[in-house]
Amino acid sequence: AQSVSQHNHHVILSEAASLELGCNYSYGGTVNLFWYVQYPGQHLQLLLKYFSGDPLVKGIKGFEAEFIKSKFSFNLRKPSVQWSDTAEYFCAVSGGYQKVTFGTGTKLQVIP
Amino acid sequence: NAGVTQTPKFQVLKTGQSMTLQCAQDMNHEYMSWYRQDPGMGLRLIHYSVGAGITDQGEVPNGYNVSRSTTEDFPLRLLSAAPSQTSVYFCASTRQGGVYEQYFGPGTRLTVT
Repeated sequence: AQSVSQHNHHVILSEAASLELGCNYSYGGTVNLFWYVQYPGQHLQLLLKYFSGDPLVKGIKGFEAEFIKSKFSFNLRKPSVQWSDTAEYFCAVSGGYQKVTFGTGTKLQVIP
Repeated sequence: NAGVTQTPKFQVLKTGQSMTLQCAQDMNHEYMSWYRQDPGMGLRLIHYSVGAGITDQGEVPNGYNVSRSTTEDFPLRLLSAAPSQTSVYFCASTRQGGVYEQYFGPGTRLTVT
């Protein structure tokens, strides 16, 4: 069975600080990986996704993630966060044409 | 396109009552799913459907029923509401499960007293 671990539950950063949110997954085969964001009071939106090819994936709003197969990781990064990045971030994994499993989420609070 | 719509936005039920949460999408997506979101637990899959007439259970299916008579609609039924079902419920759809981006509805906040 597939699973996802997000070890950081709550992260507080000052504006302009760099961000890295951890995501580790468990699945024995080829995986599809996603990062979703949920801004306060809103529904989830896709930030970026990895299916194959270049392991460094660029998404919207300056976010990127790196797929490291040997470490079963798909960490999310942003060089300089803004107050508007305050949100909850979810990593998700699927094993092909199957259901998607979400992590428990990381709440990011950016202090002006 | 309206995308994914959910009704109602808020609902309060008493223990033992039943109700149906509605979900509809106008993107002709084959795959639809229901999640519940609880603090510290992320999104947990309740039920999903890969097409009209086909449904399957997710991680937390107990106490919920679904059906998929059309491509557009995927209602979630609570048979006998319990306080443990107090949660925010999201419906999502995608062209093909597990591969493409899921589009989420605005959610239904359910309180069971």
